[in-house]
Formats: sequence, C-alpha cells, structure tokens
Amino acid sequence: NAGVTQTPKFQVLKTGQSMTLQCAQDMNHNSMYWYRQDPGMGLRLIYYSASEGTTDKGEVPNGYNVSRLNKREFSLRLESAAPSQTSVYFCASIGVIYQPQHFGDGTRLSIL
Amino acid sequence: AQTVTQSQPEMSVQEAETVTLSCTYDTSESDYYLFWYKQPPSRQMILVIRQEAYKQQNATENRFSVNFQKAAKSFSLKISDSQLGDAAMYFCAYRVLNDMRFGAGTRLTVKP
Repeated sequence: NAGVTQTPKFQVLKTGQSMTLQCAQDMNHNSMYWYRQDPGMGLRLIYYSASEGTTDKGEVPNGYNVSRLNKREFSLRLESAAPSQTSVYFCASIGVIYQPQHFGDGTRLSIL
Repeated sequence: AQTVTQSQPEMSVQEAETVTLSCTYDTSESDYYLFWYKQPPSRQMILVIRQEAYKQQNATENRFSVNFQKAAKSFSLKISDSQLGDAAMYFCAYRVLNDMRFGAGTRLTVKP
C-alpha cells in the first residue's frame, strides 16, 4: 500500500521556468491538499480539493495553480517560478473530515 | 484567521525522562480537531496523537499523552520515558473542516 506518492522528490529550477508537482493517493480518499514548508514557519496550506472536481485556495495560494485530475491525483503547478517559492512541498489526503491527514514524503524544490 | 503558537523553538530531554511541548491556538470555533505530528530528519510527517475538541478526555497513545484545555485553548504534548528515536521536529496542528494550520514547530533533542 503506497499511500500518498509525490513526484519528483527533488527539483532545481531557474527563475521563470514552469513546473508541475504530481501527487497520487491509492486510499480512495476524497480530499487532497498541498502545503509548503519553510524554515521556522511550519506547514502552510496552498490549495485543497475537498472532492473530485472542486478546488479551493488555502492560506498562501499566490503563484500556484492546481488540478484535481481525478479522485486519485492532485497536481500543483508553478507557472513562472520565483526564488520565494523555494521550499519543501507536501501533498496530503484524508478520507473523511475527522481523520488525520496522510502525507507524502515531500518534494524539495529549489529555484535559482 | 486561526493561528497556532508553539512557544518553544527547541527543547531537550534526557533519555528516559519526561518532556512537555507546549501549544496554544486561537479560534472562535467550538468543533475542531487538534494533532501533534513528528517530523524526523527523513522529512516524513508522522501522526503522533490527535484530539477531538468535543471530547473532554485527554488522548493517550502509549508514551504520548496530551493535556487539552479547551477554555484556555491549550494543547500540550507529554512524552514519557523519552527515547533516542523521539528526537525530531514536533508540530502542533489545528483543523476545522479543510482549513488546517500548523505551528512553527519545536525541535526536540534527546540526550543519552
């Protein structure tokens, strides 16, 4: 049982390049989330998808777009990467709202 | 907006001793969930313990227990009989529906 799988695990981009981070879960979960983790700030919610076909902004959505491709997959896109988007990105999912989130292993993204 | 505050950036404990990590949160909601997550150097986010706000009884999971004070909006984590493997970053988190907020984290060092 793979749980939540994120690809890639590491990526280096140049300023202005675009990039899509992929996330897939095999637990038949309804809700999926994207977070970023910066030093000294914990995790902050970028976007979430409460169910297939819906997406909503979180705490820090600027500079990002998301797509809930199907129930399993939720991607995060940086259209024009900026150094301020250098971070570790986590995807998470839950089946029902009172359950804890299952996290992927994270993607370390560096933008030069 | 809901906020989560962890006032101890770093803590240390002697192996086999007990340590308490502090967390306070700000909310106007009455129904919510609280979590403690552990993040070792591997970067994985591992659920330690969770508490439903409507439950008065404090949650326990083996050596981990919480002191949940709803009126004071306080949610501390107690680790008993500390082990070397407990060394990690610990994040307190608060969730209402799909809005999840994390504290900045406490780095726990365990001394042999």
